[in-house]
Amino acid sequence: DQQVKQNSPSLSVQEGRISILNCDYTNSMFDYFLWYKKYPAEGPTFLISISSIKDKNEDGRFTVFLNKSAKHLSLHIVPSQPGDSAVYFCAARNYGGSQGNLIFGKGTKLSVKP
Amino acid sequence: DSGVTQTPKHLITATGQRVTLRCSPRSGDLSVYWYQQSLDQGLQFLIQYYNGEERAKGNILERFSAQQFPDLHSELNLSSLELGDSALYFCASSVVGDSPEAFFGQGTRLTVV
Repeated sequence: DQQVKQNSPSLSVQEGRISILNCDYTNSMFDYFLWYKKYPAEGPTFLISISSIKDKNEDGRFTVFLNKSAKHLSLHIVPSQPGDSAVYFCAARNYGGSQGNLIFGKGTKLSVKP
Repeated sequence: DSGVTQTPKHLITATGQRVTLRCSPRSGDLSVYWYQQSLDQGLQFLIQYYNGEERAKGNILERFSAQQFPDLHSELNLSSLELGDSALYFCASSVVGDSPEAFFGQGTRLTVV
Protein backbone atom coordinates (compact mmCIF):
# COMPACT_ATOMS: atom_id res chain seq x y z
CA ASP A 1 0.00 0.00 0.00
CA GLN A 2 1.48 3.31 -1.09
CA GLN A 3 1.88 5.72 1.79
CA VAL A 4 3.03 8.58 -0.44
CA LYS A 5 1.22 9.15 -3.72
CA GLN A 6 1.89 11.42 -6.66
CA ASN A 7 -1.11 10.97 -8.88
CA SER A 8 0.12 12.97 -11.85
CA PRO A 9 2.88 11.15 -13.79
CA SER A 10 3.60 14.26 -15.84
CA LEU A 11 3.03 18.00 -16.03
CA SER A 12 3.76 20.45 -18.81
CA VAL A 13 4.08 24.19 -18.12
CA GLN A 14 5.07 27.25 -20.11
CA GLU A 15 8.25 29.08 -19.12
CA GLY A 16 7.54 31.91 -16.68
CA ARG A 17 4.29 30.39 -15.42
CA ILE A 18 3.68 28.59 -12.14
CA SER A 19 4.28 24.85 -11.78
CA ILE A 20 2.26 23.07 -9.09
CA LEU A 21 3.19 19.53 -8.17
CA ASN A 22 0.95 17.60 -5.81
CA CYS A 23 1.44 14.82 -3.31
CA ASP A 24 -0.90 12.93 -0.96
CA TYR A 25 0.01 10.78 2.00
CA THR A 26 -1.77 8.40 4.33
CA ASN A 27 0.41 8.14 7.45
CA SER A 28 -0.27 10.75 10.14
CA MET A 29 3.02 9.92 11.86
CA PHE A 30 5.22 11.48 9.18
CA ASP A 31 7.19 14.30 10.78
CA TYR A 32 8.85 15.81 7.71
CA PHE A 33 8.02 16.06 4.03
CA LEU A 34 10.61 16.63 1.34
CA TRP A 35 10.84 17.30 -2.37
CA TYR A 36 13.65 15.95 -4.51
CA LYS A 37 14.50 16.72 -8.12
CA LYS A 38 16.03 14.13 -10.40
CA TYR A 39 17.68 14.55 -13.78
CA PRO A 40 18.31 11.52 -16.02
CA ALA A 41 21.46 9.57 -15.13
CA GLU A 42 21.82 11.44 -11.83
CA GLY A 43 20.80 10.75 -8.25
CA PRO A 44 17.92 12.64 -6.63
CA THR A 45 18.84 16.09 -5.35
CA PHE A 46 17.25 17.54 -2.25
CA LEU A 47 15.16 20.62 -3.00
CA ILE A 48 13.11 21.72 -0.01
CA SER A 49 11.48 20.28 3.10
CA ILE A 50 8.72 21.15 5.53
CA SER A 51 8.11 20.08 9.09
CA SER A 52 4.71 18.59 9.90
CA ILE A 53 4.13 21.42 12.38
CA LYS A 54 4.31 24.08 9.67
CA ASP A 55 2.06 24.82 6.72
CA LYS A 56 4.45 26.65 4.42
CA ASN A 57 8.14 26.82 3.64
CA GLU A 58 9.74 28.99 1.01
CA ASP A 59 13.17 28.94 -0.62
CA GLY A 60 13.63 31.27 -3.55
CA ARG A 61 11.37 30.19 -6.40
CA PHE A 62 10.25 27.09 -4.53
CA THR A 63 7.45 27.00 -1.95
CA VAL A 64 6.01 23.92 -0.30
CA PHE A 65 2.53 23.98 1.24
CA LEU A 66 1.28 21.40 3.72
CA ASN A 67 -2.39 20.74 4.47
CA LYS A 68 -2.40 18.23 7.31
CA SER A 69 -6.15 17.86 7.53
CA ALA A 70 -6.26 16.83 3.87
CA LYS A 71 -2.95 14.91 4.12
CA HIS A 72 -1.80 16.83 1.08
CA LEU A 73 1.27 18.80 0.13
CA SER A 74 2.22 20.73 -2.95
CA LEU A 75 5.34 22.25 -4.45
CA HIS A 76 5.01 25.57 -6.26
CA ILE A 77 7.73 26.75 -8.63
CA VAL A 78 7.44 30.39 -9.66
CA PRO A 79 8.50 31.37 -12.25
CA SER A 80 9.18 28.07 -13.98
CA GLN A 81 12.34 27.80 -16.06
CA PRO A 82 13.37 25.26 -18.73
CA GLY A 83 16.14 24.06 -16.38
CA ASP A 84 13.44 22.97 -13.94
CA SER A 85 12.47 20.18 -16.33
CA ALA A 86 13.09 17.00 -14.33
CA VAL A 87 11.31 14.32 -12.33
CA TYR A 88 10.14 15.56 -8.94
CA PHE A 89 9.74 13.13 -6.06
CA CYS A 90 7.74 13.77 -2.94
CA ALA A 91 9.07 12.01 0.18
CA ALA A 92 8.08 11.66 3.80
CA ARG A 93 9.99 10.71 6.92
CA ASN A 94 8.48 8.42 9.50
CA TYR A 95 10.26 9.50 12.64
CA GLY A 96 8.54 6.82 14.64
CA GLY A 97 10.22 4.15 12.57
CA SER A 98 13.84 4.17 11.57
CA GLN A 99 14.88 7.74 12.36
CA GLY A 100 15.60 8.98 8.91
CA ASN A 101 14.18 6.52 6.41
CA LEU A 102 12.36 8.33 3.61
CA ILE A 103 9.31 6.98 1.80
CA PHE A 104 9.00 8.21 -1.77
CA GLY A 105 6.19 8.72 -4.23
CA LYS A 106 6.56 7.54 -7.84
CA GLY A 107 7.44 10.98 -9.13
CA THR A 108 6.03 13.58 -11.50
CA LYS A 109 7.88 14.48 -14.69
CA LEU A 110 7.83 18.25 -15.17
CA SER A 111 8.43 19.71 -18.62
CA VAL A 112 8.88 23.47 -18.84
CA LYS A 113 8.54 24.68 -22.42
CA PRO A 114 10.33 27.83 -23.62
CA ASP B 1 28.17 16.80 -6.29
CA SER B 2 26.36 15.33 -3.27
CA GLY B 3 29.52 13.91 -1.72
CA VAL B 4 28.13 10.36 -1.87
CA THR B 5 30.12 8.05 -4.14
CA GLN B 6 28.76 4.87 -5.66
CA THR B 7 30.68 2.29 -7.67
CA PRO B 8 30.36 0.91 -10.22
CA LYS B 9 28.10 3.18 -12.30
CA HIS B 10 27.01 0.36 -14.57
CA LEU B 11 26.96 -3.39 -14.10
CA ILE B 12 25.84 -6.09 -16.51
CA THR B 13 25.65 -9.64 -15.26
CA ALA B 14 23.91 -12.92 -15.91
CA THR B 15 21.03 -14.50 -14.05
CA GLY B 16 22.09 -16.53 -11.05
CA GLN B 17 25.18 -14.46 -10.44
CA ARG B 18 26.16 -12.38 -7.40
CA VAL B 19 27.27 -8.73 -7.40
CA THR B 20 28.43 -6.20 -4.85
CA LEU B 21 27.59 -2.50 -5.01
CA ARG B 22 29.67 -0.07 -3.03
CA CYS B 23 28.84 3.26 -1.40
CA SER B 24 30.98 5.87 0.35
CA PRO B 25 28.84 8.30 2.34
CA ARG B 26 29.43 12.01 2.78
CA SER B 27 32.14 12.87 5.24
CA GLY B 28 30.67 12.83 8.74
CA ASP B 29 27.42 11.05 7.85
CA LEU B 30 26.87 7.98 9.99
CA SER B 31 23.72 6.72 8.32
CA VAL B 32 23.58 4.97 4.96
CA TYR B 33 20.42 3.97 3.09
CA TRP B 34 19.95 1.78 0.05
CA TYR B 35 17.10 2.32 -2.41
CA GLN B 36 16.00 0.50 -5.54
CA GLN B 37 14.33 2.22 -8.48
CA SER B 38 12.78 -0.10 -11.04
CA LEU B 39 11.25 1.04 -14.32
CA ASP B 40 8.37 3.49 -13.75
CA GLN B 41 8.61 3.00 -10.01
CA GLY B 42 9.49 5.32 -7.23
CA LEU B 43 12.43 4.78 -4.95
CA GLN B 44 11.85 1.72 -2.82
CA PHE B 45 13.65 1.70 0.52
CA LEU B 46 15.72 -1.44 1.02
CA ILE B 47 17.80 -1.09 4.18
CA GLN B 48 19.47 1.42 6.50
CA TYR B 49 22.69 1.20 8.48
CA TYR B 50 23.75 3.56 11.21
CA ASN B 51 27.34 3.56 12.44
CA GLY B 52 27.85 -0.06 11.46
CA GLU B 53 24.58 -1.46 12.71
CA GLU B 54 21.43 -2.30 10.81
CA ARG B 55 18.78 0.26 11.76
CA ALA B 56 15.81 -0.51 9.53
CA LYS B 57 14.68 -2.87 6.81
CA GLY B 58 12.30 -2.11 4.02
CA ASN B 59 11.33 -4.16 0.98
CA ILE B 60 14.60 -6.07 0.79
CA LEU B 61 14.62 -9.58 -0.60
CA GLU B 62 16.29 -12.38 1.33
CA ARG B 63 18.72 -12.76 -1.59
CA PHE B 64 19.98 -9.26 -0.85
CA SER B 65 22.12 -8.23 2.08
CA ALA B 66 24.15 -5.23 3.14
CA GLN B 67 26.74 -4.18 5.63
CA GLN B 68 28.47 -1.03 6.82
CA PHE B 69 32.14 -1.15 7.63
CA PRO B 70 34.12 0.68 10.38
CA ASP B 71 35.17 3.35 7.86
CA LEU B 72 31.40 3.86 7.25
CA HIS B 73 31.37 2.76 3.64
CA SER B 74 28.63 0.30 2.81
CA GLU B 75 28.16 -2.59 0.42
CA LEU B 76 24.96 -4.06 -0.97
CA ASN B 77 25.23 -7.70 -1.99
CA LEU B 78 22.76 -9.09 -4.49
CA SER B 79 22.82 -12.84 -5.10
CA SER B 80 21.01 -15.40 -7.25
CA LEU B 81 20.16 -12.55 -9.57
CA GLU B 82 16.96 -12.59 -11.60
CA LEU B 83 15.91 -10.53 -14.61
CA GLY B 84 13.54 -8.58 -12.36
CA ASP B 85 16.45 -7.34 -10.25
CA SER B 86 17.50 -5.07 -13.09
CA ALA B 87 17.14 -1.58 -11.67
CA LEU B 88 18.91 1.53 -10.49
CA TYR B 89 20.31 1.13 -7.00
CA PHE B 90 20.89 4.30 -5.03
CA CYS B 91 22.80 4.87 -1.87
CA ALA B 92 22.07 7.88 0.33
CA SER B 93 23.60 9.19 3.51
CA SER B 94 22.49 11.54 6.23
CA VAL B 95 23.53 12.88 9.60
CA VAL B 96 20.36 11.52 11.26
CA GLY B 97 18.82 13.91 13.66
CA ASP B 98 16.60 16.93 13.20
CA SER B 99 17.61 17.51 9.58
CA PRO B 100 15.51 15.16 7.48
CA GLU B 101 17.31 15.32 4.16
CA ALA B 102 19.37 12.46 2.81
CA PHE B 103 21.95 12.97 0.08
CA PHE B 104 22.04 10.57 -2.82
CA GLY B 105 24.80 9.15 -4.93
CA GLN B 106 24.53 8.88 -8.71
CA GLY B 107 23.38 5.30 -8.53
CA THR B 108 24.46 1.97 -9.98
CA ARG B 109 22.52 0.73 -12.98
CA LEU B 110 22.30 -3.05 -12.77
CA THR B 111 21.27 -5.03 -15.82
CA VAL B 112 20.67 -8.75 -15.43
CA VAL B 113 20.67 -10.66 -18.72
